[in-house]
Amino acid sequence: EIVLTQSPGTLSLSPGERATLSCRASQSVSSSYLGWYQQKFGQAPRLLIYGASSRATGIPDRFSGSGSGTDFTLTISRLEPEDFAVYYCQQYGSSPYTFGQGTKLEIK
Amino acid sequence: EVQLVESGGGLVQPGGSLRLSCAASGFTLSSFAMSWVRQAPGKGLEWVSTVSAGGRSTYYADSVKGRFTISKDNSKNTLYLQMNSLRADDTAVYYCAKWGNAFDIWGHGTMVTVSS
Repeated sequence: EIVLTQSPGTLSLSPGERATLSCRASQSVSSSYLGWYQQKFGQAPRLLIYGASSRATGIPDRFSGSGSGTDFTLTISRLEPEDFAVYYCQQYGSSPYTFGQGTKLEIK
Repeated sequence: EVQLVESGGGLVQPGGSLRLSCAASGFTLSSFAMSWVRQAPGKGLEWVSTVSAGGRSTYYADSVKGRFTISKDNSKNTLYLQMNSLRADDTAVYYCAKWGNAFDIWGHGTMVTVSS
């Protein structure tokens, strides 16, 4: 089983700042089958990034993903008020299709 | 509009059974793999199960293997999750998700509570 470890657990930033979220895998993620999801309180998750670096439909270009192998990053270039939420990474290259434990992005 | 709507959640006693449904609209279920993901109260996301596009291949988390069964009825465009021998730690919101580019479409979720 591939274990995904996200850091930091909580990130406190202000609107307009840059956010950098990390996801580290216990073994290489095949074909960069790594996704990032945003979840707001009481809502279903929403896909932001797939294939490590491709933005999903309708996702603003301030969201970007990078990385390969075991180290992946989600960057939000300039935080908007609606970006404060919990973010999860997921590997979907090999079963079980595990999620990271999440990073909470909160307003400073 | 592409949409997933779950139903079938509720309160069930430990050891009981429940069947969740996920009605798909705006796309053909037979063309895509589908998954169930759950989230216990105040916790993170946990992948539960996936069924292939044709329905012949299924995959389960160790925590539910042997107790849960995923299936799809392509004629009804509906995904199912049969849950047997339910335990307190199965209590969660259960989401169905379409596997296009990653899990690209999610339903709103249905709550399952296992308690006596």
